[in-house]
Parts: sequence; structure tokens; C-alpha cells
Amino acid sequence: DAGVTQSPTHLIKTRGQQVTLRCSPISGHKSVSWYQQVLGQGPQFIFQYYEKEERGRGNFPDRFSARQFPNYSSELNVNALLLGDSALYLCASSLVRTPRWGMDSPLHFGNGTRLTVT
Amino acid sequence: KQEVTQIPAALSVPEGENLVLNCSFTDSAIYNLQWFRQDPGKGLTSLLLIQSSQREQTSGRLNASLDKSSGRSTLYIAASQPGDSATYLCAVRDNYGQNFVFGPGTRLSVLP
Repeated sequence: DAGVTQSPTHLIKTRGQQVTLRCSPISGHKSVSWYQQVLGQGPQFIFQYYEKEERGRGNFPDRFSARQFPNYSSELNVNALLLGDSALYLCASSLVRTPRWGMDSPLHFGNGTRLTVT
Repeated sequence: KQEVTQIPAALSVPEGENLVLNCSFTDSAIYNLQWFRQDPGKGLTSLLLIQSSQREQTSGRLNASLDKSSGRSTLYIAASQPGDSATYLCAVRDNYGQNFVFGPGTRLSVLP
């Protein structure tokens, strides 16, 4: 089975531009989360989507938005790019949104999209 | 606000050595804890998931323990190999289950 796939793998943009990143979850996974990882740090939570609805949002400005499609794939959009948005953007999928007691629901990550803003 | 720390930040050991990586979290009201491995420029690979009701999980040469009351988890790697060289991250999921909070990682180098 294919794992979580993300596209593109690398992207270079200039300040002020807009970018769209894409993610396809593991087949059967309905929950998709987005994380930002700055070099040398752990990933920071941006969004979680489940059944096409936003279920959680991290401490990121409104320039960041996302959506989930009927096939559970997802897009992350970032407007008015800043230099500080340069990072590895990771998508993760899991089987359920809120794990029921005693049920394993680990996160499975894609290889990420490396965004460089110049 | 949950905060996760990992000690040490970097570790270099000779091949064959047993080693322990540490993870601490400030809020014990967690649902589960997951250990990941990340190779340079790559995504995260799930290693072990420990539910809050569990004390430890094992997979091959890896053993992870969880002491929720003290806010600590350890990842034990037995008989380390050069292929184990990577950054190891721990992450805790809160009781609402919406997202994981990650530590900064421990960068491990296993020397042949």
C-alpha cells in the first residue's frame, strides 16, 4: 500500500507570493494533519482535518489555510509568503480523529515539501 | 500549554553500544506518546506508540517506556548500528486527540 504522498517535494517562492501544497493520505485514513518543521526543531502543528472539516488549528496566522476533499486528500495554502515561512511542511494521516480508548491510531507522515522563500 | 523536551540534543556512540534517549513533557494528561525517526531531509517514520494506559512497547531492538505521572518517556536502543543514525523525536497527543506536540529531537550518530 502507498504511504502518505506529498507534492511537490521542493518549491522555491519569493516573498509575497502564494503557495499550495498537496497531500494524499494512506488509503482508508480519514484524518489529515499538517505540520511545519523549521530546521533544527520539531514539527509544529498547523491544522487537522477530518471528514472534510477543520477539527484543530495551531498557532499560525490567517495566511495559512487548508481544506480536505471528498477523497480525503488535502491542500495547504499559504498566502503573502514571508522569509520565515521557509520550512519543511509535513502531512500526516491517521485512521481516526480522536482515538477511542485503547485503540492505536499512530500518525503516518509523508516525506514533506521543502519550501524556500527568497 | 504542553511542552516537550528531549535530552541529549545530540549523541555519538560506537557501534554495538546500548543507549537511552530521554523525553520529558510538562502536562501528564496525555492520551498517548509516539516515538519517531527522521533521516536528513526526510519525513518522520513511526517507531513506537504507547497508550497512556501502557508502561512500555517493544519492537525489535527498540523499547520505549512511559511514566505518565512523572512526565517522562525513554527510548532504549539495543546493540546500536550505523543504520540507526538519525534524529529521534518524541511527540505526545493530548486527551483531546487533535494533535501531537513534538520535542526538538535527539540527533544520534552511531560510529562504525
